[in-house]
Amino acid sequence: ILNVEQSPQSLHVQEGDSTNFTCSFPSSNFYALHWYRWETAKSPEALFVMTLNGDEKKKGRISATLNTKEGYSYLYIKGSQPEDSATYLCAFSYGNEKLTFGTGTRLTIIP
Amino acid sequence: GAVVSQHPSRVICKSGTSVKIECRSLDFQATTMFWYRQFPKQSLMLMATSNEGSKATYEQGVEKDKFLINHASLTLSTLTVTSAHPEDSSFYICSARKDPPYEQYFGPGTRLTVT
Repeated sequence: ILNVEQSPQSLHVQEGDSTNFTCSFPSSNFYALHWYRWETAKSPEALFVMTLNGDEKKKGRISATLNTKEGYSYLYIKGSQPEDSATYLCAFSYGNEKLTFGTGTRLTIIP
Repeated sequence: GAVVSQHPSRVICKSGTSVKIECRSLDFQATTMFWYRQFPKQSLMLMATSNEGSKATYEQGVEKDKFLINHASLTLSTLTVTSAHPEDSSFYICSARKDPPYEQYFGPGTRLTVT
């Protein structure tokens, strides 16, 4: 059974502050790690797909890093804005197309 | 873009009836679509992989006769929950794989309540 764990489960951050959260996954048979942002009543939106150890990806104020040897990925948000409020999901795939999801980190930005 | 729609967004049905949920890729063709289910405070769990023109592949523990999947075209997959029971009440969400970049694009999900 593959376990993908995300922490913390929820987070409240003051507008303007930076924050980060973690996704841990099995380090064996790694293929790719995906990050999604999921706003209420909308479709999960793909943020990053990361495949190489040491990968760093950036999209605006959001960035992510990947360590496949120890099995973790960090998602960073710089200068949080109210529109960043969402649930952030990570998902692991191990050589096929199937994704195994974590339970998500629910981020609330306080104006 | 890569937009996936899902219909209906919410459905309430009586125990014993069947419910059909549609998943459409609006601006791309998808040979492969996926169906997930999410129970409260749990992660998205893959139920089945739907391939256009062939039988769906179900994950362990998912009853194929209860959750009928049809992927009749490159833009449409349907999930029918047959003889629904209250324990089938859940959030069902689909994704469609765009080839390339082989990324999965999700619909907004369907909240099913069985009374």
